[in-house]
Amino acid sequence: AQKVTQAQTEISVVEKEDVTLDCVYETRDTTYYLFWYKQPPSGELVFLIRRNSFDEQNEISGRYSWNFQKSTSSFNFTITASQVVDSAVYFCALSGGTGGGADGLTFGKGTHLIIQP
Amino acid sequence: ETGVTQSPTHLIKTRGQQVTLRCSSQSGHNTVSWYQQALGQGPQFIFQYYREEENGRGNFPPRFSGLQFPNYSSELNVNALELDDSALYLCASSLVGHGETQYFGPGTRLLVL
Repeated sequence: AQKVTQAQTEISVVEKEDVTLDCVYETRDTTYYLFWYKQPPSGELVFLIRRNSFDEQNEISGRYSWNFQKSTSSFNFTITASQVVDSAVYFCALSGGTGGGADGLTFGKGTHLIIQP
Repeated sequence: ETGVTQSPTHLIKTRGQQVTLRCSSQSGHNTVSWYQQALGQGPQFIFQYYREEENGRGNFPPRFSGLQFPNYSSELNVNALELDDSALYLCASSLVGHGETQYFGPGTRLLVL
């Protein structure tokens, strides 16, 4: 069975600080995909990034960066120079590589990020 | 490009009733997945539809059922509602295939009294 663990339930930082959200996953699949989604108070999940298990290159998009380490089964997310608009719940998710994707996404419990002005 | 839409936005039902939630997929997408998100939890996969058939299901009882229509829109039906069914129900659309990115709608908040 697949599992995603986000150990940080809530993180509170002051604006402009850097913050890292941790994600650890478990899967027996050799091909799998990892995702991060942002959920603002409105409830809609906003897609941030998708990474496949064969691509361990780190990625940077503006103030966002992701560190994928297969050796430790982690896919961590860093926000540099945080802003109040970054306040939201962030979810890490895992998709299996078999069954045509019909197994759906397995989500962690989320990390509530609070950016204080 | 039209995103995923869901209706209604909010719904209140009583225990034992039945409910139907609706979802229109993003243009160009042929697969719809449904998720249940209880308060303070991550979304849980209910099932996925492709070519008007269910092609994957999570750990949900048969009273959760669905439909997909030729235009790729979808319905989620829940019979014999229980108090624990109170949650945010999220619909996501994607292209078929493992690992394809799922794009989510705004959700329907269901309260069962």
